[in-house]
Amino acid sequence: AQSVTQLDSQVPVFEEAPVELRCNYSSSVSVYLFWYVQYPNQGLQLLLKYLSGSTLVESINGFEAEFNKSQTSFHLRKPSVHISDTAEYFCAVNALSGGYNKLIFGAGTRLAVHP
Amino acid sequence: EAGVAQSPRYKIIEKRQSVAFWCNPISGHATLYWYQQILGQGPKLLIQFQNNGVVDDSQLPKDRFSAERLKGVDSTLKIQPAKLEDSAVYLCASTSSGVWNTEAFFGQGTRLTVV
Repeated sequence: AQSVTQLDSQVPVFEEAPVELRCNYSSSVSVYLFWYVQYPNQGLQLLLKYLSGSTLVESINGFEAEFNKSQTSFHLRKPSVHISDTAEYFCAVNALSGGYNKLIFGAGTRLAVHP
Repeated sequence: EAGVAQSPRYKIIEKRQSVAFWCNPISGHATLYWYQQILGQGPKLLIQFQNNGVVDDSQLPKDRFSAERLKGVDSTLKIQPAKLEDSAVYLCASTSSGVWNTEAFFGQGTRLTVV
């Protein structure tokens, strides 16, 4: 069975500092990996995804994540955060299970950016 | 392209009452998911449909929760009778048919408060 572990429930950081949100997964089959963001009182939005090819994927707002198969990780990074990045971030794994794809989420990491 | 529509946005009921949520996925999307997101936690998959058939309902509390997807389009999720611990945001998501590694699109969710 697949599972997702987000190692930090909360990450406080100052504006313009770098940040890393950690995500590890377990699955016995090939996986596809996603980061979703949830701003206060809003729905889930896709931030970035790894399907195949280059293990480093980027979003349009400066986030990047690297798929590491040997460490079963998909950590999210940003070199310089803004106040507007304050949100809840969810790592998710999509893998075949019983002949169908199944999308499973981690518990989330709350990123709080302070001035 | 219209997004995933959910209604109502908010609902307050007393324990032991019944409630129903409605979801209209993106046109043409064969896979539909219902998730439960309790405050401070990640989304938990309740049930997954492929067209109008259930492919995974292993985490659905079947003694009180039910869901259907008539004609493979709209879906309803019902709780009867509700308990205090059912207070959560109920999220509906859909993905396109046959390409199981694409992103899931989420609705705004229905925030249920059971008092």
